Amino acid sequence: KAGVTQTPRYLIKTRGQQVTLSCSPISGHRSVSWYQQTPGQGLQFLFEYFSETQRNKGNFPGRFSGRQFSNSRSEMNVSTLELGDSALYLCASSTRTGEEGTLHFGNGTRLTVT
Amino acid sequence: AQTVTQSQPEMSVQEAETVTLSCTYDTSESDYYLFWYKQPPSRQMILVIRQEAYKQQNATENRFSVNFQKAAKSFSLKISDSQLGDAAMYFCAYRSGGGGADGLTFGKGTHLIIQP
Repeated sequence: KAGVTQTPRYLIKTRGQQVTLSCSPISGHRSVSWYQQTPGQGLQFLFEYFSETQRNKGNFPGRFSGRQFSNSRSEMNVSTLELGDSALYLCASSTRTGEEGTLHFGNGTRLTVT
Repeated sequence: AQTVTQSQPEMSVQEAETVTLSCTYDTSESDYYLFWYKQPPSRQMILVIRQEAYKQQNATENRFSVNFQKAAKSFSLKISDSQLGDAAMYFCAYRSGGGGADGLTFGKGTHLIIQP
């Protein structure tokens, strides 16, 4: 079974631009969540989607948004990029039944804002 | 809000020896899950082991085992017969039960070095 796939692996953007990151979950997984990883703040929860609905959102500004499609694929968008948005963005999927609580992660997208 | 604390930023162990990574957490909930994830330089977070709070028995996965002390809110990871491939960042994580709508709460991580 294919794992969680994130594209692209690397991105370089300029301050003020916007960016969209993509995540394809493991087949059969209906929950997708996003995390930001930085050296200073560590791993922080961004948001989680289940069946195309955002279930919860972490403590991030409204510039961070996401969505989930009917095939469970998810996208994350960051508008008006700031230097501090430079980070590794990790996507994770889960079934939410049986293995409740266990997240399976992708390789991440490394975003650099210049 | 829940917090997870890993007090060891870095640990070093000789190959084939045993090492224990510490993790404590703070919560008022009774239903939750605890995890240890490994992140090698490839960046992918890999699940090492998971523990349900309602289970008293400590989880074990091959060379990896945990010491779960619910009353003390402690969740340490023991790696036996350390191998070079175990070198990575290790993150302890907490997730609420009943859906875990707040996602995983991670500790800051422990960098594990394996000395050949």
